Amino acid sequence: GENVEQHPSTLSVQEGDSAVIKCTYSDSASNYFPWYKQELGKGPQLIIDIRSNVGEKKDQRIAVTLNKTAKHFSLHITETQPEDSAVYFCAASEGNAGKSTFGDGTTLTVKP
Amino acid sequence: GAVVSQHPSRVICKSGTSVKIECRSLDFQATTMFWYRQFPKQSLMLMATSNEGSKATYEQGVEKDKFLINHASLTLSTLTVTSAHPEDSSFYICSATQGSEKLFFGSGTQLSVL
Repeated sequence: GENVEQHPSTLSVQEGDSAVIKCTYSDSASNYFPWYKQELGKGPQLIIDIRSNVGEKKDQRIAVTLNKTAKHFSLHITETQPEDSAVYFCAASEGNAGKSTFGDGTTLTVKP
Repeated sequence: GAVVSQHPSRVICKSGTSVKIECRSLDFQATTMFWYRQFPKQSLMLMATSNEGSKATYEQGVEKDKFLINHASLTLSTLTVTSAHPEDSSFYICSATQGSEKLFFGSGTQLSVL
């Protein structure tokens, strides 16, 4: 089955700096890679996603890059703000309502 | 759009009782719903996949008689924790999909069994 590894497990940055979280996956059949933000006591919320036919996607301060050959993808948050502090999860799936495999999560702390 | 409502958000029950958690898709028809369990500072652990009108598919190690899942309509799935014990205390989350790869998550239910 699919295996997703996520690094780092914790990340602390100063407000205004950039944050990068990286994930690797093992199953070459995976073709959909979402990123979720989870605040304490709440469910995960989709913040950005990318499909395997695209190398990069950007939405305001958030971007995701995908290297399908190396089987890794990354989340980039620029101009971080304290409200970006949360746990971020990457995931990989074969799409079409298939099961997703989640990374272990990264706790991001943005210091004001 | 794509809102998933999960209730209750928090429940405390006595050991041996059963607890039902509801997951509703409010503005779309959910062909598939997933139920997860999450321990503090850990990732989401998939418990089962639920398709409307059919029996749920449970992940290895998940007791189907203890965690009863019903997906009676395209907008509602329920998880019943039967004869709950303290070790069942956890954060339970549902997600739903319209048939595409996008998942929409409920807000989670914190279950505490005394």
